[in-house]
Amino acid sequence: AQKVTQAQTEISVVEKEDVTLDCVYETRDTTYYLFWYKQPPSGELVFLIRRNSFDEQNEISGRYSWNFQKSTSSFNFTITASQVVDSAVYFCALSDYTDKLIFGTGTRLQVFP
Amino acid sequence: SAVISQKPSRDICQRGTSLTIQCQVDSQVTMMFWYRQQPGQSLTLIATANQGSEATYESGFVIDKFPISRPNLTFSTLTVSNMSPEDSSIYLCSVVQGDSYEQYFGPGTRLTVT
Repeated sequence: AQKVTQAQTEISVVEKEDVTLDCVYETRDTTYYLFWYKQPPSGELVFLIRRNSFDEQNEISGRYSWNFQKSTSSFNFTITASQVVDSAVYFCALSDYTDKLIFGTGTRLQVFP
Repeated sequence: SAVISQKPSRDICQRGTSLTIQCQVDSQVTMMFWYRQQPGQSLTLIATANQGSEATYESGFVIDKFPISRPNLTFSTLTVSNMSPEDSSIYLCSVVQGDSYEQYFGPGTRLTVT
C-alpha cells in the first residue's frame, strides 16, 4: 500500500533561516509521482511541484529546492532564507498512474520576524 | 494552470439536510477528483468524478452519502447528503492538467453542520 510520512508536525524558525521539510514515502510501484503543496492560512491548496520517479535530479525554484532520493524513499523540501509569507502547512503527496493523491499529515511551518 | 472555482465557498447547514457543491474549470480536463479535509487534518480522497458515468468511490465513501455528477469535461458536483456534524469539513475538487499532469485544487468549500 502507498503511504506518505511527514514526521515533523510543526517547525518554527526565525526569518532568513533555512528550513527543510521531510517527506518519506512507501510504494511498490516502479512508476510513481511525488508532489508538494502549500496551504496558507487562507486555506487554498497551492501546487508547488510534481516529480516522477524516473527523474532524480534535484529541482530549484527561487528560494525553494527539492531533494529526491529513491535510495531512502525521500522527497525533502528546503526553503532558503525563509520569510514570514512562507508560514503555512506544507503537504507532501504521492500518486500512481491513476493520479489519485495520497497525502502526508502535513508540516506546519511558522516563520517569525 | 487551469482556473477552478467552487460554489459555495462556505455554508452552515442543519443536521439532516443536503448540500450540493459545484466545481467549475475554465478548460476541459480529463481527471477530476473530490477530496475532504476534516478540521486540522490532511486531505482524503472521496472519489474520482468520471465524465458521463458513475463516480468511483474510495473505501469508506459511498454514493448514497456523497453522490457525484460530472456531465461534461469542465463541471462536477458533489452532494453531501443527510448531513451530520461529523461532515463538517472543507471539500475540495481537483483537476489534472492534461499536458503536464500537474494536479490543481479549487479554493474549497468550508462546510459547518450544526
